[in-house]
Amino acid sequence: NAGVTQTPKFQVLKTGQSMTLQCAQDMNHNSMYWYRQDPGMGLRLIYYSASEGTTDKGEVPNGYNVSRLNKREFSLRLESAAPSQTSVYFCASSFQSRGYTFGSGTRLTVV
Amino acid sequence: AQTVTQSQPEMSVQEAETVTLSCTYDTSESNYYLFWYKQPPSRQMILVIRQEAYKQQNATENRFSVNFQKAAKSFSLKISDSQLGDTAMYFCAFTPLTGTASKLTFGTGTRLQVTL
Repeated sequence: NAGVTQTPKFQVLKTGQSMTLQCAQDMNHNSMYWYRQDPGMGLRLIYYSASEGTTDKGEVPNGYNVSRLNKREFSLRLESAAPSQTSVYFCASSFQSRGYTFGSGTRLTVV
Repeated sequence: AQTVTQSQPEMSVQEAETVTLSCTYDTSESNYYLFWYKQPPSRQMILVIRQEAYKQQNATENRFSVNFQKAAKSFSLKISDSQLGDTAMYFCAFTPLTGTASKLTFGTGTRLQVTL
C-alpha cells in the first residue's frame, strides 16, 4: 500500500543511548517532515526536508539530526537520548500544500 | 510566525447529536490551507477536511463541515450526527502557501468523546 512507513513502532532507550528512526515514502513526494507529539502540545516540527539534498530546522531541533538519504527516505537520529525526548514521533511527506501523509508513529521512551 | 489555538481541551457529545470544535489562528499570510486532522486511539493521523483560504465557500465532507471566517481568523469544525467512531483527538492545522516546504503548524488538540 502506498504511504509513509516508519520503523520502529515502539522503542525504549536508556539515557545516553543513540538510535535512528527510519522513514520511507513511496508517493514520490518532494517534502518530508519529522514531528514530535507530546501531551497537551499538539505536534511540533523537529526538522524538515523540502527536497532531496536539503534539510532545515523546525521548531524543536535541539538534540536531533536528520538525513535525507534519497527522495524516499528521511531518517531522524538521537545521538544521546534524554528523558525529555520521550515522545511520539511522526514522519510525514507532502507534495505541495494540498496533501500530507503521515506515518503511524513511533512511541519512544527514554529511561 | 503562525500560531493555531484550540481553546477546548475536551468535549463530549451524545451519539447522533451535533458538536462544533473551535480553532483560531494568527498569520500575516494571505494564501494558506487549513486542515482538521483526527487522531483515534490507534495514533494514526487522518485528514478530516481541508480548506483553501482563497475559497470563500466552506468545505464539506459528508458529516463534517467547517465554518471558515477569514477576517476573524476562525476555522471551526462541525460534526453532524455524531458516531461512536468519531471519538478521537482532533487537531486544527495551518500551512502557508509560500516557501518550498509546506510546514504544518498544529493546535494543541481537542479530545472529543462521543457517548451513548
